[in-house]
Amino acid sequence: DTAVSQTPKYLVTQMGNDKSIKCEQNLGHDTMYWYKQDSKKFLKIMFSYNNKELIINETVPNRFSPKSPDKAHLNLHINSLELGDSAVYFCASSQESGTFNEQFFGPGTRLTVL
Amino acid sequence: GNSVTQMEGPVTLSEEAFLTINCTYTATGYPSLFWYVQYPGEGLQLLLKATKADDKGSNKGFEATYRKETTSFHLEKGSVQVSDSAVYFCAQTDSSASKIIFGSGTRLSIRP
Repeated sequence: DTAVSQTPKYLVTQMGNDKSIKCEQNLGHDTMYWYKQDSKKFLKIMFSYNNKELIINETVPNRFSPKSPDKAHLNLHINSLELGDSAVYFCASSQESGTFNEQFFGPGTRLTVL
Repeated sequence: GNSVTQMEGPVTLSEEAFLTINCTYTATGYPSLFWYVQYPGEGLQLLLKATKADDKGSNKGFEATYRKETTSFHLEKGSVQVSDSAVYFCAQTDSSASKIIFGSGTRLSIRP
């Protein structure tokens, strides 16, 4: 059984489009995260939700809007896509917020903006 | 703010060679330190961690010791295997312990 799953795995789209990436975890965790990994493998947190409540919101353009319909799902919607948004986006979850808890990562969504 | 610096890759070794991947950190307070591994096409997985000075984290033959005096957390393995080929990330908690700060990753390739 997949612990943290993301869809789609690959996403190729044109500049200016709006797209969503979905994430689901079946671990019963309370906290979920979105990370962006650029072409040089540098990984940076974007958002964190605990029990559907936003707890971390890094300096991310407001074109990015996370949505958590329940604590098992954290979706990422991106408006007006730009070339610089091309990256691999990882969803993760942990038992609780606070970094002593191991984070479990999904397989990633490779977004390519043309 | 807190930051993590790790050696740039790629690192290429022969099977059974000794591995060291250097990692140093800057931090206020006493962060927890981690090594995560990313195998090709997969997400990151926690490899090992240490939560206080002089702690040694270990897993799958890998070890790292939390050295407060040198602000380091170097990853070592005595005899690497082809299956260890992956990208390795050193990481620490930030000053508020609310999130993890990752290093830039080191790609490791092991030749048979």
